[in-house]
Amino acid sequence: NAGVTQTPKFQVLKTGQSMTLQCAQDMNHEYMSWYRQDPGMGLRLIHYSVGAGITDQGEVPNGYNVSRSTTEDFPLRLLSAAPSQTSVYFCASGNYEQYFGPGTRLTVT
Amino acid sequence: AQSVSQHNHHVILSEAASLELGCNYSYGGTVNLFWYVQYPGQHLQLLLKYFSGDPLVKGIKGFEAEFIKSKFSFNLRKPSVQWSDTAEYFCAVQGGYNKLIFGAGTRLAVHP
Repeated sequence: NAGVTQTPKFQVLKTGQSMTLQCAQDMNHEYMSWYRQDPGMGLRLIHYSVGAGITDQGEVPNGYNVSRSTTEDFPLRLLSAAPSQTSVYFCASGNYEQYFGPGTRLTVT
Repeated sequence: AQSVSQHNHHVILSEAASLELGCNYSYGGTVNLFWYVQYPGQHLQLLLKYFSGDPLVKGIKGFEAEFIKSKFSFNLRKPSVQWSDTAEYFCAVQGGYNKLIFGAGTRLAVHP
């Protein structure tokens, strides 16, 4: 039981590049979510999903896309990276209590 | 809209001192409440949670929190901190659809 896994751990992008942050869980949770963590701002919800095929926007969705084709996976896509998206990204899953992945540190130059 | 306010952004204590971190939330309905901890370079871990029942909740590592409904508060306490408690602490409210709303966090530094 690996819990919540995220790849990559670190990533550097140039402005305008695209990439996908991967998130997977093996706990059969319906609910999954993506947060970004910035100093002094806590964690802010980007997108969430209540089950396969169902996603919705959180507090800061602009510049990010998600899809949920399986219960296990919930990738986060940056279509055209901007310096404002430099952050640490956490994926979480859980039907009540949320379990967090180890995070992806993204730098956009 | 839901929001969470953590009163202290930085707290510095000596070992064996008592700790209380404030958390207030705004939400119109029934909420679940959480405290998470993030040790340096690590991901968030759950310290304790409140869903219902006894408003005094005990968590891991000697932490506890008290839910006071009339004050919309969920303060975290520990009677005697250790150097290993140095971390950032986040209060969170869970409303509809399991969404967690986090406070800005409190950085705790414990000096030996």
